[in-house]
Amino acid sequence: DGGITQSPKYLFRKEGQNVTLSCEQNLNHDAMYWYRQDPGQGLRLIYYSQIVNDFQKGDIAEGYSVSREKKESFPLTVTSAQKNPTAFYLCASSRRQGTGYGYTFGSGTRLTVV
Amino acid sequence: AQSVTQLGSHVSVSEGALVLLRCNYSSSVPPYLFWYVQYPNQGLQLLLKYTSAATLVKGINGFEAEFKKSETSFHLTKPSAHMSDAAEYFCAVSDRIGSSNTGKLIFGQGTTLQVKP
Repeated sequence: DGGITQSPKYLFRKEGQNVTLSCEQNLNHDAMYWYRQDPGQGLRLIYYSQIVNDFQKGDIAEGYSVSREKKESFPLTVTSAQKNPTAFYLCASSRRQGTGYGYTFGSGTRLTVV
Repeated sequence: AQSVTQLGSHVSVSEGALVLLRCNYSSSVPPYLFWYVQYPNQGLQLLLKYTSAATLVKGINGFEAEFKKSETSFHLTKPSAHMSDAAEYFCAVSDRIGSSNTGKLIFGQGTTLQVKP
């Protein structure tokens, strides 16, 4: 079955470390998104990509970086510049212009700074 | 830009009672509208969507929502709550610039539904 796979499910980061969250989809979707979720703050968009080799900053891109070298993959790196990275991270994908289809979400990665 | 407002960050109902979760949107043209459900430590799952066909939309798990253009609302309802409905619910609207979709969704802040036995 097609879907989105996020890994790992839980991730622990030491202060000053960069960590990379994986997101892979086999839905043949063109667009992919990264969201951060904190209690009581809903979903906040970090980065999105609507086509391979192109991506745009979302509302809270500072301290994060992404790449989109393959259609299926959209990894997110949380850098040491992100001062408060502890959160639940969600990856999603959609057909390029088909917002009538909505998003398909992965199951999330919970990142904790130790 | 579009926006979504979910009235009530927490809603509590008794098992068997009516569930009503409110969502209002701002859009200059009829948008696409969605409701998602999120269980603890999981991703979001699509409950239902409005894409300019029937204004009353039926979704999974007995939920439905009605698009009311005059009220710019898309409230989510279920006639009889079940304990398994306890979760967080998000309303979303398609983002547009002018008359063109940007490809993104704008999410509300979420409503946590508590179901009491």
